[in-house]
Amino acid sequence: AQSVTQPDIHITVSEGASLELRCNYSYGATPYLFWYVQSPGQGLQLLLKYFSGDTLVQGIKGFEAEFKRSQSSFNLRKPSVHWSDAAEYFCAVGDPLRFAGGYQKVTFGTGTKLQVIP
Amino acid sequence: DAGVIQSPRHEVTEMGQEVTLRCKPISGHDYLFWYRQTMMRGLELLIYFNNNVPIDDSGMPEDRFSAKMPNASFSTLKIQPSEPRDSAVYFCASSYFRSGGNNEQFFGPGTRLTVL
Repeated sequence: AQSVTQPDIHITVSEGASLELRCNYSYGATPYLFWYVQSPGQGLQLLLKYFSGDTLVQGIKGFEAEFKRSQSSFNLRKPSVHWSDAAEYFCAVGDPLRFAGGYQKVTFGTGTKLQVIP
Repeated sequence: DAGVIQSPRHEVTEMGQEVTLRCKPISGHDYLFWYRQTMMRGLELLIYFNNNVPIDDSGMPEDRFSAKMPNASFSTLKIQPSEPRDSAVYFCASSYFRSGGNNEQFFGPGTRLTVL
């Protein structure tokens, strides 16, 4: 079974600074990988996803993530953080073989709360 | 499209009462998911449906919880009787199956449940 770890519970960055949120997964092959964002009082919204191909994935709101098979990682990055990026970020993993068969369960990490200071 | 619609947005009830949470998925989506989010346990998948049929209910905590999907546009999550430890935010999400795995889940705004 797949699993995902987000080692940082809270991160604080200054507005304009760069950001990297860590995500490590456990899976025997290349999984499906997702990053979602949850703004306060809202549901989750997909930022980006990786299924195959180019390991650097571009998403919405200026975010990108890089899949590194050797490190079992899928870290989320943004070159310059805006105050509106303050939210909780969730990494998630899915099993491609089971997805192909219609089994759609995705395992979410525990989330990283991002605080942005002026 | 209006997105995934959940009602009520907030529910406060007393221990022992029945609670019913409602969800309307995005039209055309064939998968519906119920999640529970708490500080202690994070985001947990409770159950999901495909074409109105429950596929995986292994996350349903106990018999007090039940979920139904009588048609493609409506689902309920019921807790009977409710307990204070059920206090959480409950999310509904929907998606549609595409070969190749491009299966984004679209989340509703959630129902914040407080059981006193």
